[in-house]
Amino acid sequence: DAKTTQPNSMESNEEEPVHLPCNHSTISGTDYIHWYRQLPSQGPEYVIHGLTSNVNNRMASLAIAEDRKSSTLILHRATLRDAAVYYCILRDRVISTSGTYKYIFGTGTRLKVLA
Amino acid sequence: ETGVTQTPRHLVMGMTNKKSLKCEQHLGHNAMYWYKQSAKKPLELMFVYSLEERVENNSVPSRFSPECPNSSHLFLHLHTLQPEDSALYLCASSQDIRGDQPQHFGDGTRLSIL
Repeated sequence: DAKTTQPNSMESNEEEPVHLPCNHSTISGTDYIHWYRQLPSQGPEYVIHGLTSNVNNRMASLAIAEDRKSSTLILHRATLRDAAVYYCILRDRVISTSGTYKYIFGTGTRLKVLA
Repeated sequence: ETGVTQTPRHLVMGMTNKKSLKCEQHLGHNAMYWYKQSAKKPLELMFVYSLEERVENNSVPSRFSPECPNSSHLFLHLHTLQPEDSALYLCASSQDIRGDQPQHFGDGTRLSIL
């Protein structure tokens, strides 16, 4: 099962900021929080990731709660091209001796951007 | 983003056919993955390769057979598939298998089983 909880869907107006929440109450101290998005007919696209501190890149900002049990992906000005399914993901250890970790994808948040 | 390339983009095959999906990455990554995405379901991890060695088979039926001849190429050989195997098959790569670094995905092969 996915280790994160996200709302099924959200709406935003174009040119306005969007805050996409994610709960991950079982996060361990060494787990990074990853965000991906999937546009229609495409594979998932990396957006941002972080461990403890807030992170910024050209696509978005990631705000991580002090206790790390939740995080928020911030799109500063939503455009129609940002309409996608957004996934918040933690790694999960594979039951093997290889030290392999894997992502467990949930159903994500479907973001609709209104013109 | 042309880091991970998958071919073909679309494939229609009968249940008795044999076909292969191909994935190629030019990112210098050491780990590669196959995922399955069925309609209205989350992505499911199928296989993980690290330095050309399979390190994870996530209870995938034997009618799916992966092959990783080198760190840049990954194949998924298909034979006697079932209609429920119709899905989007996604390939991804990452620097290593520790899960700290991002995975880069291809755009997938849309597979339809007749």
